Amino acid sequence: DGGITQSPKYLFRKEGQNVTLSCEQNLNHDAMYWYRQDPGQGLRLIYYSQIVNDFQKGDIAEGYSVSREKKESFPLTVTSAQKNPTAFYLCASSISPSGANVLTFGAGSRLTVL
Amino acid sequence: QKEVEQNSGPLSVPEGAIASLNCTYSDRGSQSFFWYRQYSGKSPELIMSIYSNGDKEDGRFTAQLNKASQYVSLLIRDSQPSDSATYLCVISGTYKYIFGTGTRLKVLA
Repeated sequence: DGGITQSPKYLFRKEGQNVTLSCEQNLNHDAMYWYRQDPGQGLRLIYYSQIVNDFQKGDIAEGYSVSREKKESFPLTVTSAQKNPTAFYLCASSISPSGANVLTFGAGSRLTVL
Repeated sequence: QKEVEQNSGPLSVPEGAIASLNCTYSDRGSQSFFWYRQYSGKSPELIMSIYSNGDKEDGRFTAQLNKASQYVSLLIRDSQPSDSATYLCVISGTYKYIFGTGTRLKVLA
């Protein structure tokens, strides 16, 4: 079945550590997105990629980094510069970088800072 | 003014009733409108998409769009306890998706 796989589902980070969240899709979608969800807030865009080897900052990119070396993969690294990283992270994709397209989400990764 | 506004709820309706969820948006250039359902601790899943003024029906769900009033709504007929979730209104323009904070729906058995 086609879909988006995020791993790990749960992740714990110590202060000063970088962690990487994996996002893999087999939908043959061009566009991929990373969102952060905090309680009582809407999803906020961290980074997005419209095509391989290209990505753009979203609204809250500080303290995060991404890469898009393959069409299927869009990993997110939460660096130690991100001061409040505890959140639910959602990876999504769409068939092309047009706002008319439906977003498909992965199951999410929940990051907790110890 | 928030770009996408939803009443956070909870909206409580009895089983079998119609649930009405509302959303207003500020960008008149918005072109695409989506409703997602999100169960607690899970990721959002698409319920409906709508792109032109009027109503769009899919089973028990009806989406309504009024671009002049910058208003989009979701009606759920014959509400079931399994419909209890948070419903996210999502608006998009050229490529950016803007999410509302969601309305929490509780269907009482």
